[in-house]
Amino acid sequence: DQQVKQNSPSLSVQEGRISILNCDYTNSMFDYFLWYKKYPAEGPTFLISISSIKDKNEDGRFTVFLNKSAKHLSLHIVPSQPGDSAVYFCAASERRTDKLIFGTGTRLQVFP
Amino acid sequence: DARVTQTPRHKVTEMGQEVTMRCQPILGHNTVFWYRQTMMQGLELLAYFRNRAPLDDSGMPKDRFSAEMPDATLATLKIQPSEPRDSAVYFCASGLDTFVGSFFGSGTQLSVL
Repeated sequence: DQQVKQNSPSLSVQEGRISILNCDYTNSMFDYFLWYKKYPAEGPTFLISISSIKDKNEDGRFTVFLNKSAKHLSLHIVPSQPGDSAVYFCAASERRTDKLIFGTGTRLQVFP
Repeated sequence: DARVTQTPRHKVTEMGQEVTMRCQPILGHNTVFWYRQTMMQGLELLAYFRNRAPLDDSGMPKDRFSAEMPDATLATLKIQPSEPRDSAVYFCASGLDTFVGSFFGSGTQLSVL
């Protein structure tokens, strides 16, 4: 039973446009959410996070939005760059458990 | 340049053989996580340690998998006997007390034939 779902396995976006990656979760006890980026043959690297007390967190070109009532979060990348081409994983946690639950990932391709 | 080191990077073995994967956490990090990446499940947490003590291994098949931390600089994940369904990429991550701010290694790509 997938508690964190990324329903789009892939996304293709033109350079300079906005990339929107989506993630849904089922566990209402999750209170901390993260996005990781993964290049081939490398481990995931942390990108941005958000606590459940917020609905938006921004870091440069990356913004994460959290809609608790819909149990949905999204990652916006503006403007998209070819170097953003990677697999993006959404992850969620109940902070007290210290366990991260990951989604299956979305492969983003940014083309010129 | 502090990083989590995993060895081997690739491992091809035959069904039934023992497989040992090693992880050297970042110096000073006291929490180590083991994850497995598959296409169907994404990244799954197998086990994690804090101060070398196992805290949770509920994600790990107990009959064939074992995880240990012989010392603060080495974590191991063993599979015995290995099966084709164990083929995946295994990642180790280390952090200070929590997954927040943790770093992943480059993974061990395991293929069991």
